[in-house]
Amino acid sequence: DIVMTQSPDSLAVSLGERATINCKSSQSVLYSSNSKNYLAWYQQKPGQPPKLLIYWASTRESGVPDRFSGSGSGTDFTLTISSLQAEDVAVYYCQQYYSPPRTFGPGTKVDIK
Amino acid sequence: QVQLVQSGAEVKKPGASVKVSCKASGYTFTNYYIHWVRQAPGQGLEWMGIINPSDGTTSYAQKFQGRVTMTRDTSTSTVYMELSSLRSEDTAVYYCARGFRGMDVWGQGTTVTVSS
Repeated sequence: DIVMTQSPDSLAVSLGERATINCKSSQSVLYSSNSKNYLAWYQQKPGQPPKLLIYWASTRESGVPDRFSGSGSGTDFTLTISSLQAEDVAVYYCQQYYSPPRTFGPGTKVDIK
Repeated sequence: QVQLVQSGAEVKKPGASVKVSCKASGYTFTNYYIHWVRQAPGQGLEWMGIINPSDGTTSYAQKFQGRVTMTRDTSTSTVYMELSSLRSEDTAVYYCARGFRGMDVWGQGTTVTVSS
């Protein structure tokens, strides 16, 4: 199984400041035949199901604000919120869809400082 | 609009089984895989398995092998997840989600409580 880890476990950022979340996979999720990283990011607010933010490691889902961006390749990935808004308070998960089981990271909680 | 609507909350006794439904609408049911993901209280997301609604083929996480069964009914565009031999640790919110470059559409979640 591919193990996903995230850092930090939680972070508090001032409104308008940058938030950066890291995700690491235990093996590469880069599929060589199409050069795509099978890595997604989700946002989950209390009492709600997760919401897909980013897929293919760096492609924003339709309707997701452009302050959210994803980067990285192979085994190391980053989700960046360029200017934190109050509505971004949530838990963020990375997930690999390279191979089953489609494992998730443990989550990173983002709060306002 | 594209949506997945799940069945209501369940309370079960240890050792019992639960069957949760997930009804799809707004898209071609057989074109997208459906995943099941659960979340225990205060915990993270745990992938349980996947079903291909087109032919019914499934793949389950090793942890749930032998206890979980995923099926589909193409006539009603509904997927089912049955979990047997329930124990207290199975208390969680169970989600279905459409699989497409990640999971792009999620059901609202079904709370399953296992308690004697």
